[in-house]
Amino acid sequence: TQLLEQSPQFLSIQEGENLTVYCNSSSVFSSLQWYRQEPGEGPVLLVTVVTGGEVKKLKRLTFQFGDARKDSSLHITAAQPGDTGLYLCAGADGYGQNFVFGPGTRLSVLP
Amino acid sequence: DTGVSQDPRHKITKRGQNVTFRCDPISEHNRLYWYRQTLGQGPEFLTYFQNEAQLEKSRLLSDRFSAERPKGSFSTLEIQRTEQGDSAMYLCASSLGWEDTQYFGPGTRLTVL
Repeated sequence: TQLLEQSPQFLSIQEGENLTVYCNSSSVFSSLQWYRQEPGEGPVLLVTVVTGGEVKKLKRLTFQFGDARKDSSLHITAAQPGDTGLYLCAGADGYGQNFVFGPGTRLSVLP
Repeated sequence: DTGVSQDPRHKITKRGQNVTFRCDPISEHNRLYWYRQTLGQGPEFLTYFQNEAQLEKSRLLSDRFSAERPKGSFSTLEIQRTEQGDSAMYLCASSLGWEDTQYFGPGTRLTVL
């Protein structure tokens, strides 16, 4: 069974601060996705990372996939209240038969 | 809008009643997934289809749960004899193939009284 852990579980910061959230596993994933979910809605895909060591940027968000493809991080620069939400990482094994989600990091950005 | 759609968005039912949810995936996507999400948790996998074939079911999917995708397009998830523990958000997702990213619908929130 592949498990994804996310840390921190909760994070409350002031607008303008920087933050990093983490997604870790003891298993290797063929790809890893980051989603953001707002209350009462389905998760919305932010990025997919595939190659070990890969870094992708999406405006103020920077995503990194670990060299061993077991972990990932999401860094947000100058957080804004609109960044508030549940950040989920999800991974697929090499056969696509097992797709698992982490429990999420709930981010609150205060104005 | 050509994204994943789910119907209804909200369902309130009494314990013991049957409920059915519908998911319409992105039209060219072959894979369709069902997940359940409870408050404060990430989505938990329930089952998935490759076209019309149901290829995997989680142990979370008890005998009261059944899913179909009869023509390889839309899918239904039925829960018989609902229990209060079934209260959750039921999410549907679709992907083009087995290595491709899943795109989620808005979910159906079920409340069992």
